[in-house]
Amino acid sequence: KAGVTQTPRYLIKTRGQQVTLSCSPISGHRSVSWYQQTPGQGLQFLFEYFSETQRNKGNFPGRFSGRQFSNSRSEMNVSTLELGDSALYLCASSSSKGDGGYTFGSGTRLTVV
Amino acid sequence: GQNIDQPTEMTATEGAIVQINCTYQTSGFNGLFWYQQHAGEAPTFLSYNVLDGLEEKGRFSSFLSRSKGYSYLLLKELQMKDSASYLCAVRGDYKLSFGAGTTVTVRA
Repeated sequence: KAGVTQTPRYLIKTRGQQVTLSCSPISGHRSVSWYQQTPGQGLQFLFEYFSETQRNKGNFPGRFSGRQFSNSRSEMNVSTLELGDSALYLCASSSSKGDGGYTFGSGTRLTVV
Repeated sequence: GQNIDQPTEMTATEGAIVQINCTYQTSGFNGLFWYQQHAGEAPTFLSYNVLDGLEEKGRFSSFLSRSKGYSYLLLKELQMKDSASYLCAVRGDYKLSFGAGTTVTVRA
């Protein structure tokens, strides 16, 4: 079966711009979570969605937002980009039971210049 | 919140065994995961523990003690392809929190 699909794979943006990243979960998975990975901070939790509802949010500024659609696809948006937002953004999906692990997409590499 | 600690680096010889320890403090514990991540790639799921004890999956085993806030990942019969970062992650309060990762280098 198809895995978790993230688009785009690579993105270069200028400071002050905004960006939208997309994630399509594994078919049947209703939970989608987002993470930021940087060399200095490791994997940091951004938010988790289940059936279009945000269940938890990490310690990121309000410039980071997300949403989930009725087909479980999710988007995250970062407004007013800063150089420090350069990172690998990973999306993961899981079944409602949560015991099968989280399957990660390949990520979107965002570079802010 | 969550606080997860694991060693930064470990080196071992091909064919040997390596044990990666992870200690954690969390609220609303709902499972501990181990992931493998090769450079430039996404993390891949290795194991899941929610009850105390040992889970074995081929060359990889994972152990959990909830009362001690402790887990380990055991990698047996090391192969060169096992050189990667190993991430301990704890689920609680609808949130998966990761340790900084342990870089394992396998030498010939």
